Amino acid sequence: EVQLVESGGGLVQPGGSLRLSCAASGFTFSDYWMLWGRQAPGKGLEWVATIKPDETERYYVDSVKGRFTISRDNTENSVYLQMSGLRAEDTALYYCGRGYNGNSEFYDFRGQGTPVTVSS
Amino acid sequence: EIVMTQSPATLSESPGERATLSCRASERIRYSLAWYQQKPGQPPRLLIFNTNARPAGVPARFSASGSGTEFTLTISSLQSEDFAVYFCHQYTKWPGTFGQGTRVEIK
Repeated sequence: EVQLVESGGGLVQPGGSLRLSCAASGFTFSDYWMLWGRQAPGKGLEWVATIKPDETERYYVDSVKGRFTISRDNTENSVYLQMSGLRAEDTALYYCGRGYNGNSEFYDFRGQGTPVTVSS
Repeated sequence: EIVMTQSPATLSESPGERATLSCRASERIRYSLAWYQQKPGQPPRLLIFNTNARPAGVPARFSASGSGTEFTLTISSLQSEDFAVYFCHQYTKWPGTFGQGTRVEIK
């Protein structure tokens, strides 16, 4: 069974940092694009960052470029999101997603997400 | 930025009825459209990709069509588990953009 378990969220002050983790199991992790997406309270979805299986390509939404870094460890079957310079508008539930059938455009999600709250 | 507009914002239907959801793009997106379903407290679920393709496990009562700027998701006979919010997502260029969602509620 495919599982994606997010962790690392919490309450942080503006300008602070957090590192999110996603532990994957039930599939060959090194074959898939992996994504961090988010959903602000009561709002819609937004793709934040994605990473190719071999880490040779990474893409970010413009609002997080230079502040967030996505990485992965194919030996640990995990994907990470290092977030710095956090802003109030980064407050959201962050989901880890797996590229469907090896794609990088659409994703399936299995976890409950990890909440990030940026507030003083 | 391509703006995705979904209609209606809320759709009230009875179980067993047919539901038709619309998504309009501000410019042509070819067939680069996905639909996601989301229930309260759950992650989004991929329902449709490439305009009309269903992932494994998605029931056949979900179908979709469209091209260019106009797209439709149809649920042929609403089941209790289908009452949820549905988002469309265009992905012509990463990260793409989402519609604001259509809430399908029980009438």
